[in-house]
Order: sequence, then C-alpha cells, then structure tokens
Amino acid sequence: GENVEQHPSTLSVQEGDSAVIKCTYSDSASNYFPWYKQELGKRPQLIIDIRSNVGEKKDQRIAVTLNKTAKHFSLHITETQPEDSAVYFCAASINLSGTYKYIFGTGTRLKVLA
Amino acid sequence: DAGVTQSPTHLIKTRGQQVTLRCSPKSGHDTVSWYQQALGQGPQFIFQYYEEEERQRGNFPDRFSGHQFPNYSSELNVNALLLGDSALYLCASSFLGAAEAFFGQGTRLTVV
Repeated sequence: GENVEQHPSTLSVQEGDSAVIKCTYSDSASNYFPWYKQELGKRPQLIIDIRSNVGEKKDQRIAVTLNKTAKHFSLHITETQPEDSAVYFCAASINLSGTYKYIFGTGTRLKVLA
Repeated sequence: DAGVTQSPTHLIKTRGQQVTLRCSPKSGHDTVSWYQQALGQGPQFIFQYYEEEERQRGNFPDRFSGHQFPNYSSELNVNALLLGDSALYLCASSFLGAAEAFFGQGTRLTVV
C-alpha cells in the first residue's frame, strides 16, 4: 500500500549548522512532494514543495531534492536558527482526476540548540 | 483573507457519542480534505470532498462520514466514538487540480 517513511524521528543541531531530513515513498505514481512545518499547537504550514519533473528546488535557507529512481526526497535546512525548531512532515501525493491526497511521513522533531 | 478555519478548537466526548466538526475553506477554494493526526504521528487522510461529493477516501471505517455544502464548507461526523478516535482533526483546502493544500488549526478531540 501507500507508505512514506521519514528519518530521523528526532534531530538536534547546533545553531548555524545544517539539518537534513529524509523520506522514502512507495507509490511510484506520486508526483508532488510537499514539506510542512508544525509548531506546537499550531497548524501545519507548507514550507517548500517539489514536483516529480524537478530534481531540486531552493528557497533561501531551505532546499528539497528528489530522486525519482530511488523514490527518495530530502529536506535541507542551512544556517539553522532557534525558530527552525518544530516538527517537520514530508508527504507524497498523486493526482487522481484533479484531486490530491497526501500520504504523510511520521515526522521529524528538529531542535536547534542556541 | 481568512485562511482555513475550523470549529470547535477543542472538544471532549464520551465513548459511544457522536461528534460533528466543521471547516470553512480558504476563500476561493472548492476542495476540502480531512485528516486525523494522532499524538506523535503524521496526519492520516480520511476523505476529500468536491462539488458536495466524496471524491477520495482513506482507510477509515464507515463511522467516519462527511458532507460538503454549496458554499464549500464541510463537516466531519464520527459516530460511536472510541477512545482511539482521540486525535487532532485537520481540515485542508485547495483548488481542484491544485496540489498545494492549506491546513486549518485543527480540532483537538478527546474521547473519555
């Protein structure tokens, strides 16, 4: 069935260091891969996304890479700051007749130590 | 422009009871999806509505049902509540055909 594995489950980095979160998806028909940041008690917020026809996308300190052959995609955060501390979720999605449903990973709790 | 809004924010129910959660999509969005997020887990897809019809459904029992109204707002109903139904219920809205979805703040349901 559809599945997204996410690693690591927790990640602690020093302020200014880089953080990398990795996801693997099972359904090769997946064609859209968003990343969400969820702070405690708040809604998931889209921080970056990538489509299957692109291998890499960057937005300031955040980048996402996609390897369709291996069915892997990763989130890279550079120059981490304390406000980056949150839970990050990856998701894989398929377009079925114009509608998308997301299959989420189990989340990564990122702690940026000042 | 209001984003996705959900009500209520918190709810406590007793086992066996029924509950209705509500969602108003972001202005202009016509598609609403519901997700269940258990503590410490990623959101799990329940179902999606467009044009007042259920378009996709996840692996949830028939106790979970929904509705979409002509103004695109939506309700999630859960019957015969179980302790395991305790979770954060998230609503997400989008345009049909658009991949990006925007989430509401969720309804925290506790079943005792």
